[in-house]
Amino acid sequence: DIQMTQSPSTLSASVGDRVTITCRASQSLSGWLAWYQQKPGKAPKLLIYTASTLQSGVPSRFSGSGSGTEFTLTISSLQPDDFATYYCQQYHSYPLTFGGGTKVDIK
Amino acid sequence: EVHLLEFGGGLVQPGGSLRLSCAASGFTFSTCAMSWVRQAPGKGLEWVSGISGSGARTNYADFVKGRFTISRDNSKNTLYLQVHNLRAEDTAVYYCTKMVGGTIANFDYWGQGTLVTVSS
Repeated sequence: DIQMTQSPSTLSASVGDRVTITCRASQSLSGWLAWYQQKPGKAPKLLIYTASTLQSGVPSRFSGSGSGTEFTLTISSLQPDDFATYYCQQYHSYPLTFGGGTKVDIK
Repeated sequence: EVHLLEFGGGLVQPGGSLRLSCAASGFTFSTCAMSWVRQAPGKGLEWVSGISGSGARTNYADFVKGRFTISRDNSKNTLYLQVHNLRAEDTAVYYCTKMVGGTIANFDYWGQGTLVTVSS
């Protein structure tokens, strides 16, 4: 199974900050990585797929990069609506696996 | 507009069974792979099972170990997850998800989830 490790697990930031979340895979994903945002009591929402493609309707302050085993999600200027938990997910092979999540909270 | 509505969750005793259902609308259901993803209280996301658009191919997480069966009825635009021999660790919100492309894919739409609680 491909293990997905996210860091940090918690991140405290202020509105306007640039935020970066890292996701590392135990083997190469060839770019088959997605990022999701989840707010308390809600279903996750797809933000980015194939490592760097922005899902339709997602604000451009979100971006993804990386290849192989290391990937990043960047929020260029954190907005109040962005305080949430973020997950990466690999779809290189079965079983599909998620990272443990990164909670972004208010500093 | 894509809409996924799960139902069938509830309180069940250890060793019990349930059938979860997901009614889909707003897209051509029969052409899309689907999956169930679960989330235990206060924990992260965990993929459970996936099925191809035709229903011919299914995949399961190792922890399912023959206890869960995914299926679909394309005439009813409905996805199912039959779960047997439930354990306390199966307690979670179960999300129905639409997959992008084939069965090894990401999830572009999620239902609101249905809570399964396994407890005596």
